[in-house]
Amino acid sequence: SQKIEQNSEALNIQEGKTATLTCNYTNYSPAYLQWYRQDPGRGPVFLLLIRENEKEKRKERLKVTFDTTLKQSLFHITASQPADSATYLCVSYSSASKIIFGSGTRLSIRP
Amino acid sequence: NAGVTQTPKFQVLKTGQSMTLQCAQDMNHNSMYWYRQDPGMGLRLIYYSASEGTTDKGEVPNGYNVSRLNKREFSLRLESAAPSQTSVYFCASSFRTDNTEAFFGQGTRLTVV
Repeated sequence: SQKIEQNSEALNIQEGKTATLTCNYTNYSPAYLQWYRQDPGRGPVFLLLIRENEKEKRKERLKVTFDTTLKQSLFHITASQPADSATYLCVSYSSASKIIFGSGTRLSIRP
Repeated sequence: NAGVTQTPKFQVLKTGQSMTLQCAQDMNHNSMYWYRQDPGMGLRLIYYSASEGTTDKGEVPNGYNVSRLNKREFSLRLESAAPSQTSVYFCASSFRTDNTEAFFGQGTRLTVV
């Protein structure tokens, strides 16, 4: 079955370091991937979209990569800040019009 | 702009009761969605409406019905609530179903006892 997996363990990072989150997909080839941020008690908020023919996308301190060989997307936050603490969701869209959400990785940035 | 507005924010139901979750968007989006989010799991798509006048099943449609009342509004109905439907429900909208960002409401926390 089509699956998208994110590291379910929380990631704890020292402020100022780069946080790297991983999203792996199996048994399908998404046309694009999206990353969302979700704070407790709130709905997800869109951050970035990367298409299958794009290797890398940047937005301010955020960077996303898409490796179709490894079937993986990496999400980086550089110069991390405590305000970046949240759960980050990877979402894929396949040609079968299927939207699949990962379960998310909780990121904590300590001062 | 309000974006995506869901009501109610919290609800407790008894097993077998029915209720309708309301969702409205003011961004002139064509597509709308209902998701549920359970601990340790990703958001799962219940139903979606690619455009006004159409609705389609998502991954977990059993026990739910939807109505795309007009372009702005998309409601989710539980006809006979079950404890397994205890969850946080999110409504979302996007310009179209592919290749565009989705905007989410704040969620409805539903408990079925």
